[in-house]
Amino acid sequence: DAGVTQSPTHLIKTRGQQVTLRCSPKSGHDTVSWYQQALGQGPQFIFQYYEEEERQRGNFPDRFSGHQFPNYSSELNVNALLLGDSALYLCASSIAQGGGYTFGSGTRLTVV
Amino acid sequence: GIQVEQSPPDLILQEGANSTLRCNFSDSVNNLQWFHQNPWGQLINLFYIPSGTKQNGRLSATTVATERYSLLYISSSQTTDSGVHFCAVLNYGGATNKLIFGTGTLLAVQP
Repeated sequence: DAGVTQSPTHLIKTRGQQVTLRCSPKSGHDTVSWYQQALGQGPQFIFQYYEEEERQRGNFPDRFSGHQFPNYSSELNVNALLLGDSALYLCASSIAQGGGYTFGSGTRLTVV
Repeated sequence: GIQVEQSPPDLILQEGANSTLRCNFSDSVNNLQWFHQNPWGQLINLFYIPSGTKQNGRLSATTVATERYSLLYISSSQTTDSGVHFCAVLNYGGATNKLIFGTGTLLAVQP
């Protein structure tokens, strides 16, 4: 049973560019959440998708946007990248009715 | 929103020692998980434990939901236990329906 799959694993982008990160949830899970983890910090909630809609959003600017597809997979898009966007981006899947979250291995984004 | 505090912030152990990590939270929750983040960044779920006690090998966890705290016990620690241990909580149907992480405990197990 595959867990949560994220791609790519590493990415280097230039300030001002746009990036798309991808996530496939664990089989049987229908909800996807995205987190940003800066070095030395705990994961910070970006947003959550369920039934292809953004259900919850953390304190992140509109440059951060997302999408969920009918097969429950999800994308995180970040526009106009800033140096401060450099971080580990984690995707987690769960079921809407409750239970635990399962995390992927993350995408490490470096903005230069 | 829910506040989650973990203690101690840092811990250094000799291999074979035992330790207890604590997680306090400020509101009622119906999901609590303990994670171990390895040096490569992967968050590995140790326990899903909104209440009660669970054991998995050398690790065990207890959550006392009515008193709003959880404990993670590590016995006979090994170098592979090194890394950051996070507690995360969620209140489904509450005002903040998202998993919120504590500040973490950085554990270093020395051989």
